[in-house]
Amino acid sequence: AQTVTQSQPEMSVQEAETVTLSCTYDTSESDYYLFWYKQPPSRQMILVIRQEAYKQQNATENRFSVNFQKAAKSFSLKISDSQLGDAAMYFCAYKVDTGTASKLTFGTGTRLQVTL
Amino acid sequence: EAGVAQSPRYKIIEKRQSVAFWCNPISGHATLYWYQQILGQGPKLLIQFQNNGVVDDSQLPKDRFSAERLKGVDSTLKIQPAKLEDSAVYLCASSLMGPRNIQYFGAGTRLSVL
Repeated sequence: AQTVTQSQPEMSVQEAETVTLSCTYDTSESDYYLFWYKQPPSRQMILVIRQEAYKQQNATENRFSVNFQKAAKSFSLKISDSQLGDAAMYFCAYKVDTGTASKLTFGTGTRLQVTL
Repeated sequence: EAGVAQSPRYKIIEKRQSVAFWCNPISGHATLYWYQQILGQGPKLLIQFQNNGVVDDSQLPKDRFSAERLKGVDSTLKIQPAKLEDSAVYLCASSLMGPRNIQYFGAGTRLSVL
């Protein structure tokens, strides 16, 4: 079974600084997708960034970028120029499509605090 | 474009009572998911629909949970009877069909079972 591990329950960063959130996963599949979702207190899961496993180039979305190491099964999220609005729970998620079934498997999350 | 709508936002019930949650997906999204998120954990898939049909319900406790998707649009998730361990946030998500499509989430229903 696929598992996703986030070993940092909480992280803290000062405004305008850079922070990296860690994620590792376990799978025997060669083709899959990885995601980082943000969950603010409003509870709605918001997609931050995604990576397709067959692509070697790391995904970037404005201040958010990933370091995808397929052989090491590692998928970390880097947030640059942190803002107060970045404070939230961050979940790493994995998806493999088997025909029509396409569930997301989530880690336990990292709570990010942003301080002045 | 309207997002995934869920109601109610909060629900408090006593154990052994029944409860139902409602979800309206993004227009045109054929695939609908229900996830359960227990405090301190990541969401876990309960059931996935594609149009009217169930694709994956392997993690749904079928002795007490049921779900349906009427006419391939709205969906309801029911718990009967509720147990204390059912206290969680129930998230609905929807997506277009196909492996590359992103799942968009609603704001969830927070259920407290006393």
